[in-house]
Amino acid sequence: SYVLIQSPSLSVAPGKTARITCGGDNVGRKSVHWYQQKPGQAPLLVIYYDTDRPSGIPERFSGSNSGNSATLIISRVGAGDEADYYCQVWDSSTDRVIFGGGTKLTVL
Amino acid sequence: EVQLVESGGGLVKPGGSLRLSCDASGFTLSNYSMNWVRQAPGKGLEWVSSVDSTSTFIYYADSMKGRFIISRDNAKNSLSLHMTSLRAEDTAVYYCARDVDSFNFLFDLWGRGTLVTVSS
Repeated sequence: SYVLIQSPSLSVAPGKTARITCGGDNVGRKSVHWYQQKPGQAPLLVIYYDTDRPSGIPERFSGSNSGNSATLIISRVGAGDEADYYCQVWDSSTDRVIFGGGTKLTVL
Repeated sequence: EVQLVESGGGLVKPGGSLRLSCDASGFTLSNYSMNWVRQAPGKGLEWVSSVDSTSTFIYYADSMKGRFIISRDNAKNSLSLHMTSLRAEDTAVYYCARDVDSFNFLFDLWGRGTLVTVSS
């Protein structure tokens, strides 16, 4: 079955750029979506179709996807960005929704 | 206000059954595919099941297939998940989530979740 691999944690200093990666076999051929989840809250869609941003999501959030890796990029990181981030795809070969294991972003 | 509200969670013994509901408001449920996603305590997100707008196409995660049934009542703007043969590993917060369109598998609206605890 298809697997998405994320590093469990990432620490970034305030004002710097966070790059959260999501690895998968030829993931560049799939559409990747990203969700932010803060403690005690439901997930929130922050990037869809690799690079698109829903209304209300700051321009500091962007995404890329190529080859075997997709990346969520958060520029000018602040304390409010501390959260778990999950990547997600639809695997059409098995008709399954796949989530990555999640990355916990800590702002130092 | 556009929202999803889950209900029906609680404590159930192993082998037992439970039915979760998700009530939609502020939009017409029949225009969207709908989904259940769960999260075990301290763990990541796990997809459970998806149903298209007319209940013609339904998908399940392997570990839920044969035990869980997703259904919807568009007239009542409601989604359900009937869970049977529950196991300890089914303990989780269960979220319902709206797809942006028909089977894009892109979840733009989530409920706050309902906690299911399977324990003797």
